[in-house]
Amino acid sequence: KNQVEQSPQSLIILEGKNCTLQCNYTVSPFSNLRWYKQDTGRGPVSLTIMTFSENTKSNGRYTATLDADTKQSSLHITASQLSDSASYICVVSVIMNTGFQKLVFGTGTRLLVSP
Amino acid sequence: EADIYQTPRYLVIGTGKKITLECSQTMGHDKMYWYQQDPGMELHLIHYSYGVNSTEKGDLSSESTVSRIRTEHFPLTLESARPSHTSQYLCASSPDDHNEQFFGPGTRLTVL
Repeated sequence: KNQVEQSPQSLIILEGKNCTLQCNYTVSPFSNLRWYKQDTGRGPVSLTIMTFSENTKSNGRYTATLDADTKQSSLHITASQLSDSASYICVVSVIMNTGFQKLVFGTGTRLLVSP
Repeated sequence: EADIYQTPRYLVIGTGKKITLECSQTMGHDKMYWYQQDPGMELHLIHYSYGVNSTEKGDLSSESTVSRIRTEHFPLTLESARPSHTSQYLCASSPDDHNEQFFGPGTRLTVL
């Protein structure tokens, strides 16, 4: 079972609509949580990074929330554009006992914005 | 746009060939990483480096090897490619563990 679960697996929305993607994680000890956007055939690009003390962080039309108690995060996209079509990956950062900070990746939500 | 580059972008080779995937960054980052990603699946860390002459294995076992002779360069080598090595390989770098990782565009490897 993956330690970072995302839902839905895929989503189709009309251009201009809003959507919310979900992430549940079980990894610990938790250092920070990141949302990445990955276009097909490209490397992931960071959208937000939140520590356990942060509840929300925005980056333009993207707003991420974090509830460290329930170990849930969401990414809200406002007024979607065709260019938002991509995979959105939730990534939890874990501190190993060596001090190395390891990233645990979810499988992503594939979003398609339709005209 | 991050200054991290990977070549080749696509590679199709026959079984048994030796290959090297190149990764370079011009941001002066000490930390560099190699990930493997199969279609529709999550990224898995296969190698990382804290700096020059430092290399460590990640949590996904890989037959590949890496080297870090220069800060900006972190190549990955497969001595004898097999069809099971077919995947996308992503290189990343970061200034330290707490900041975001900047990813390259990836190399899509197909071994016939």
